[in-house]
Amino acid sequence: AQTVTQSQPEMSVQEAETVTLSCTYDTSENNYYLFWYKQPPSRQMILVIRQEAYKQQNATENRFSVNFQKAAKSFSLKISDSQLGDTAMYFCAFLPTGNQFYFGTGTSLTVIP
Amino acid sequence: GAVVSQHPSWVICKSGTSVKIECRSLDFQATTMFWYRQFPKQSLMLMATSNEGSKATYEQGVEKDKFLINHASLTLSTLTVTSAHPEDSSFYICSARDRDRSSYNSPLHFGNGTRLTVT
Repeated sequence: AQTVTQSQPEMSVQEAETVTLSCTYDTSENNYYLFWYKQPPSRQMILVIRQEAYKQQNATENRFSVNFQKAAKSFSLKISDSQLGDTAMYFCAFLPTGNQFYFGTGTSLTVIP
Repeated sequence: GAVVSQHPSWVICKSGTSVKIECRSLDFQATTMFWYRQFPKQSLMLMATSNEGSKATYEQGVEKDKFLINHASLTLSTLTVTSAHPEDSSFYICSARDRDRSSYNSPLHFGNGTRLTVT
């Protein structure tokens, strides 16, 4: 069974600081993809970043980067220079072989001015 | 690019009536669309996978006769909540993957969601 766990229901960070959101997953597959989605108060789901399991290099998108540890099945998201607009729910998602995405329970991030 | 339009964004209906929600991929074709339900401060729960030209695949526990899904074209899927009851009140989100960019890692593109309130 494929499961995605986000152990931090809520987090807060001071504006301009750095925060890391954790995500672990469980799978027996070797090839898969991982994603982080952001859901702001508008509730629109927005893709933040993605990572291919066969790539050793961690993905980076501007202020967003991941720390992908395949052996540990860990996929954390680091947000640098946090901005007020980063306040949102963040969902980790796992895509194994096939078409179905598996989402974590989410982390509610609040950026404090 | 990769815009998914979902309509309506919110709807209020009376108990016993039916409500149709539309999901359109505006600038790409989607052979598969997904319908999710989300309760406040919770994750997305997959309800069904909508396949163009064939029957939808429902997740366990989702009543297919209550949540009718039609995927009539490569750009449109509809979800109809039949004989709605207050417990059906929720936030419904559709998503799709670009058929022509269906490489393994192509992400899901989401609609803006529909807030359904059944009175």
